[in-house]
Amino acid sequence: NAGVTQTPKFRILKIGQSMTLQCAQDMNHNYMYWYRQDPGMGLKLIYYSVGAGITDKGEVPNGYNVSRSTTEDFPLRLELAAPSQTSVYFCASEGSGNYGYTFGSGTRLTVV
Amino acid sequence: AQSVTQPDIHITVSEGASLELRCNYSYGATPYLFWYVQSPGQGLQLLLKYFSGDTLVQGIKGFEAEFKRSQSSFNLRKPSVHWSDAAEYFCAVGAGGSQGNLIFGKGTKLSVKP
Repeated sequence: NAGVTQTPKFRILKIGQSMTLQCAQDMNHNYMYWYRQDPGMGLKLIYYSVGAGITDKGEVPNGYNVSRSTTEDFPLRLELAAPSQTSVYFCASEGSGNYGYTFGSGTRLTVV
Repeated sequence: AQSVTQPDIHITVSEGASLELRCNYSYGATPYLFWYVQSPGQGLQLLLKYFSGDTLVQGIKGFEAEFKRSQSSFNLRKPSVHWSDAAEYFCAVGAGGSQGNLIFGKGTKLSVKP
């Protein structure tokens, strides 16, 4: 099925560990985004990309890194996980001139 | 600063009753406006969007929204709510694509009484 695929769906990390959240889309969308969702806080933008090789910081980038080597993939890297990074992470994509995001189903991350 | 306000954190309506979810925005340019719905444990699904033209837009699942520039509002409505509409609803504003990113409200949780 076409869309945005996120893996894993759930993960528990220990403080100080690192991990990569995977995001892939098969719609040939140029724009991709990473948001985190915390209860009662809506969605906050972490990083975004307007095309392969181009990334930029969003509202809450600290503690995260991204890369965009291909149009399809936009992984989010957490280095030295902290309890404050416990959240649900959503990846989204958007095609040129086709405004409206397509969201993945999310990754629920707990840092203990 | 750009922002989106959803004044109601939680709303409960009876099945079959009408629904209106409020959204107010602050945005410097002509806004693109969106409503998304999120069922428990799921990602967000686009309900409808407004770019220009007719200020009353129709979306999926029987929802509609009206853009009122003078009130900086984009309220979501449905004439008759179904139990399956219970979910969280997010309003968002932005320019989209390379021109910027969507800014989301904090959401309104909708409960439906039988």
